[in-house]
Amino acid sequence: AQSVTQLDSHVSVSEGTPVLLRCNYSSSYSPSLFWYVQHPNKGLQLLLKYTSAATLVKGINGFEAEFKKSETSFHLTKPSAHMSDAAEYFCVVIGTSYDKVIFGPGTSLSVIP
Amino acid sequence: NAGVTQTPKFRILKIGQSMTLQCAQDMNHNYMYWYRQDPGMGLKLIYYSVGAGITDKGEVPNGYNVSRSTTEDFPLRLELAAPSQTSVYFCASRVTGVSHEQYFGPGTRLTVT
Repeated sequence: AQSVTQLDSHVSVSEGTPVLLRCNYSSSYSPSLFWYVQHPNKGLQLLLKYTSAATLVKGINGFEAEFKKSETSFHLTKPSAHMSDAAEYFCVVIGTSYDKVIFGPGTSLSVIP
Repeated sequence: NAGVTQTPKFRILKIGQSMTLQCAQDMNHNYMYWYRQDPGMGLKLIYYSVGAGITDKGEVPNGYNVSRSTTEDFPLRLELAAPSQTSVYFCASRVTGVSHEQYFGPGTRLTVT
């Protein structure tokens, strides 16, 4: 069975400093992994995805994530936070033989001016 | 393309009432999903469909029903509303294939009192 853990429910950073949002997964199969962002009162938007190609994945708005099989991790990073990055971030796992989608509980990112 | 649309945006129901949440997509996607998002939680899958005429239960199907008579539409039915169904409901769709990227609607905020 697949599962996903987001280690921090809330992260606060200063504008211009790096962002790290942590995600660990469990999957019996080679997983597909995603990060989605949800701005207040909005739907979810795909940031980036890993589907067994390059382990370092670049997404929109300067975000990237690295798939580390040995650590079962898929942490999201950004070198320099912007005020517009304040949002809820969800890590998502899908097993290759499984049509269902498992969302993590989310990490709320605050950016301090 | 309008993408994924949901109606209504907001709704207040009394306990025991029924309603249908509408979802439509114009991207010719075979896969469609219904999720609920409770405060401070990730998304939980209610039902999904892999094509017209085919539906299956997700993690939290109790109290809901779906149908998929066309590729475009995937309505979610609440027969006897309960306070536990107070939530934000998201519909999503994706194309068949290995991408697994889902496109989300803007959500329906439902309150049952």
